[in-house]
Amino acid sequence: IAGITQAPTSQILAAGRRMTLRCTQDMRHNAMYWYRQDLGLGLRLIHYSNTAGTTGKGEVPDGYSVSRANTDDFPLTLASAVPSQTSVYFCASSAGGGGDEQFFGPGTRLTVL
Amino acid sequence: GQNIDQPTEMTATEGAIVQINCTYQTSGFNGLFWYQQHAGEAPTFLSYNVLDGLEEKGRFSSFLSRSKGYSYLLLKELQMKDSASYLCAVRDSDYKLSFGAGTTVTVRA
Repeated sequence: IAGITQAPTSQILAAGRRMTLRCTQDMRHNAMYWYRQDLGLGLRLIHYSNTAGTTGKGEVPDGYSVSRANTDDFPLTLASAVPSQTSVYFCASSAGGGGDEQFFGPGTRLTVL
Repeated sequence: GQNIDQPTEMTATEGAIVQINCTYQTSGFNGLFWYQQHAGEAPTFLSYNVLDGLEEKGRFSSFLSRSKGYSYLLLKELQMKDSASYLCAVRDSDYKLSFGAGTTVTVRA
């Protein structure tokens, strides 16, 4: 693994189903983030974690949950998917603090029907 | 929260210069980032400004004026591969980023 990986690459999901998007980084970064990207709206923060064991809500957290059991993994769960959650989801990480940039994973394209 | 505005689209000719403006209103400012995103790919970091002034990195430069809530990204000697979306992002005091909707730059031969 090099950098950040996300799985699956894409998924079509029936409304009402539960889905977990996976994100793993091997850079030993403290902070991790989940964004959704929708046409015309840009990237919006769903949840974040500044360090293992802690999480926080972003701009659009409703319908999503996260956990951070260790430094490397930051899964995003949709408990009961709805069509408005159709989007491209990006996971990102950063070392934390200062002028460090966020590094983004390749994204997961999710379609909820 | 943050309110970030940037133009939706810009078109320029190969070899030319393009300036992408970004204005923001923020409840707490802790730096401004520019990212590049090619279609179907992840955003990648271009530049970071936290103090007023110009930061230059090869063909790309970024400027910040905190008192005016204004930044721009300058792309010089445009190449076809520079066709992409450019995202302005403001970081708050909790180190969270808020992104503008992005500016799609099309470079024509």
